[in-house]
Amino acid sequence: GESVGLHLPTLSVQEGDNSIINCAYSNSASDYFIWYKQESGKGPQFIIDIRSNMDKRQGQRVTVLLNKTVKHLSLQIAATQPGDSAVYFCAEKKQAGTALIFGKGTTLSVSS
Amino acid sequence: GAVVSQHPSWVICKSGTSVKIECRSLDFQATTMFWYRQFPKQSLMLMATSNEGSKATYEQGVEKDKFLINHASLTLSTLTVTSAHPEDSSFYICSASGGLAGNNEQFFGPGTRLTVL
Repeated sequence: GESVGLHLPTLSVQEGDNSIINCAYSNSASDYFIWYKQESGKGPQFIIDIRSNMDKRQGQRVTVLLNKTVKHLSLQIAATQPGDSAVYFCAEKKQAGTALIFGKGTTLSVSS
Repeated sequence: GAVVSQHPSWVICKSGTSVKIECRSLDFQATTMFWYRQFPKQSLMLMATSNEGSKATYEQGVEKDKFLINHASLTLSTLTVTSAHPEDSSFYICSASGGLAGNNEQFFGPGTRLTVL
């Protein structure tokens, strides 16, 4: 079936490093993608989104890159901080009104 | 931003009992609400999509008679886990979209931890 998945289940970085979390999606019809952060025992927290007509979008300390040719999505976190430690999920949506489908998640651990 | 709440935040019940979880959109009218389930160290799995005033659409493998969803108003959806068993223990998360929040964005609730003894 079609799914959104992440390449690595865990990523460990030092405080201050830049982090890159990757995601591969399989449905070329998806037109909206979101990165979420989830801390233990909490609901997903929106980080940044991107539509299929864009290939890059920047937020505060975060950048999302979309490569539709290879169906690849990445989240870059600049100057990673201990507070960034969490599980990160990418999610895709095929069209407005339908549900977001989540990938497997990457656990980011930031050490001081 | 749009706020979604869930109640209760956690619940412990005995096997065989039913549990109701509420999901509310606090500052927008949610024409569509979604229910997800998340087992430990796993991703969010979509259970059902619920449009206000209509029957919910369940994902393959989700028993509609066991997980009763009601979306009677634009600000409230409920999920009732009937005859709960230990394997139903999970983190249940709702999300909502629609109205001024738009149909593309989904706003997530904080989740409800269900433990069935």
